[in-house]
Amino acid sequence: DQQVKQNSPSLSVQEGRISILNCDYTNSMFDYFLWYKKYPAEGPTFLISISSIKDKNEDGRFTVFLNKSAKHLSLHIVPSQPGDSAVYFCAASDRYGGSQGNLIFGKGTKLSVKP
Amino acid sequence: EAGVTQFPSHSVIEKGQTVTLRCDPISGHDNLYWYRRVMGKEIKFLLHFVKESKQDESGMPNNRFLAERTGGTYSTLKVQPAELEDSGVYFCASSRQGLAYEQYFGPGTRLTVT
Repeated sequence: DQQVKQNSPSLSVQEGRISILNCDYTNSMFDYFLWYKKYPAEGPTFLISISSIKDKNEDGRFTVFLNKSAKHLSLHIVPSQPGDSAVYFCAASDRYGGSQGNLIFGKGTKLSVKP
Repeated sequence: EAGVTQFPSHSVIEKGQTVTLRCDPISGHDNLYWYRRVMGKEIKFLLHFVKESKQDESGMPNNRFLAERTGGTYSTLKVQPAELEDSGVYFCASSRQGLAYEQYFGPGTRLTVT
């Protein structure tokens, strides 16, 4: 049973517009959430993270929002650029539980930003 | 600072053969993780080393998989004998002590078992 779900396998956005990638989780013990970006033939690259004590974290064009009551987080990219085209993975961690920082990943969403 | 490196980048073997994957973490990172992604599916945790000790190997599929991290530096993941369902991309990640969740990933080894 998947604990982290990314229900949209793909998303297409026009350059300059906002990209919104969504992620849902089921385990209420998760207390840290991360977004990774992956280009073909490369490993995932850390993008941005958020602790469960916050509801928003911003880094340049990237903002992550966390809604704990809904067990939902989203990544906003504004403005979107063609170089943002990649697969985006949502990941979660139960930092102080038995997993000791092991990341639970979603299946990823492929973002295509069209010029 | 050099990133996580993995070798080989690609391996094609026949069912029943043995393959050994290697991961060199970022220098100074005590935590080392192995993950696997089967085509189209999520990246799944395999195991976690803290220095040379196995902290958690709950994700290892079966006893055909053996991971080692001698001396707490690089790690190897051996699959013996390989089966068709072992095909996928094997990622290694490392992180600092106390920041286990901020993991840096290597480029992965694509394993194809025919």
